[in-house]
Amino acid sequence: NAGVTQTPKFQVLKTGQSMTLQCAQDMNHEYMSWYRQDPGMGLRLIHYSVGAGITDQGEVPNGYNVSRSTTEDFPLRLLSAAPSQTSVYFCASSLGQGSASNTGELFFGEGSRLTVL
Amino acid sequence: GNSVTQMEGPVTLSEEAFLTINCTYTATGYPSLFWYVQYPGEGLQLLLKATKADDKGSNKGFEATYRKETTSFHLEKGSVQVSDSAVYFCALRDSSYKLIFGSGTRLLVRP
Repeated sequence: NAGVTQTPKFQVLKTGQSMTLQCAQDMNHEYMSWYRQDPGMGLRLIHYSVGAGITDQGEVPNGYNVSRSTTEDFPLRLLSAAPSQTSVYFCASSLGQGSASNTGELFFGEGSRLTVL
Repeated sequence: GNSVTQMEGPVTLSEEAFLTINCTYTATGYPSLFWYVQYPGEGLQLLLKATKADDKGSNKGFEATYRKETTSFHLEKGSVQVSDSAVYFCALRDSSYKLIFGSGTRLLVRP
């Protein structure tokens, strides 16, 4: 099983460039989310989605956009990269809140390491 | 708002030592509580969970009990191994369904 797949695994950008981090899951999960991981700060929620066509902001949404046109995909867009966005980004998914078989577990991708110069 | 506080690391232990990593939370209602583990170069994976007060989650020799009276979910293991070296994250899932993480505790186990 592929699970949650993130691409690219590594990326270097210059300040002001834009890019998209891709995330795809093959588990038919309704809930998807993006986190960033920084030293000493744990994981902070950027954006999340409870289903196709629905997105919402997390704790640190500024500078990032998301869309959810399909159940499988949840791309994260950086419109104008800044050095403060240097981080490791994780995509995660789970069954929906109303699912009878939902254990609450989030399934994570392997991460995308982004450096902004 | 809801939050999770973990003891700061790193925690360095010798093999077969007893492990405790403290975790306390602030939340309204009755959140579900989780411990996730991150091995070097990998994403996070679920270690154990508890969904209501007095529940005990356990997996791979690790245990944690949901204590509502002290708002705690401390992680314990009786005898750690070198292979347990990783970063451990305490987390809660609140009524809005968002997963909120603590800052993580790095564990280093020496042979």
